[in-house]
Amino acid sequence: GQNIDQPTEMTATEGAIVQINCTYQTSGFNGLFWYQQHAGEAPTFLSYNVLDGLEEKGRFSSFLSRSKGYSYLLLKELQMKDSASYLCAVRDHTGAGSYQLTFGKGTKLSVIP
Amino acid sequence: DSGVTQTPKHLITATGQRVTLRCSPRSGDLSVYWYQQSLDQGLQFLIQYYNGEERAKGNILERFSAQQFPDLHSELNLSSLELGDSALYFCASSVHTGVAGSGELFFGEGSRLTVL
Repeated sequence: GQNIDQPTEMTATEGAIVQINCTYQTSGFNGLFWYQQHAGEAPTFLSYNVLDGLEEKGRFSSFLSRSKGYSYLLLKELQMKDSASYLCAVRDHTGAGSYQLTFGKGTKLSVIP
Repeated sequence: DSGVTQTPKHLITATGQRVTLRCSPRSGDLSVYWYQQSLDQGLQFLIQYYNGEERAKGNILERFSAQQFPDLHSELNLSSLELGDSALYFCASSVHTGVAGSGELFFGEGSRLTVL
């Protein structure tokens, strides 16, 4: 995955809904991931899309459009603990049974009261 | 707790020195990945090993090297250190090379390297 773009920062209000967009360009697409990373901590897996459409998991949903090279992460009923960086990552098939996961620079979400 | 263990958690050293970072993957995971995270670059993929063999190489400098041992733990060696090498180094593991299912990565807590 190369040229992964996502907004640098976003701010949203507690209880609201926020959508974090991600666009990408790749030649051997094999899945798109979203990870959450709190400051100074390890990234943790949130969601995975390989086919077009919406995947819902509790308060978090992720959407993928392969033809548009576009994904978004939707966070509902925002809580203060959702303040973190959200990393979009694309997995590429690099040949010979090998895959590489490339991360975007992340979107720092600040949830305010 | 992801089950991935990294040591040391913090390391301070001088330019020109050499350090070794260690990673123990989750039990049963055969793939180990190394990533570098600095403030302005985000998570940069360095290298991947699968069951002892190098599988993929990213933006890893020639001054850096890694290996995966028979017990599946991995070490990342950083030599001739420069100020710009200061970063958080993450190790991650997965069961496969990324083929089966989501192939999600499980990250360790990271090793924070400071080069003075």
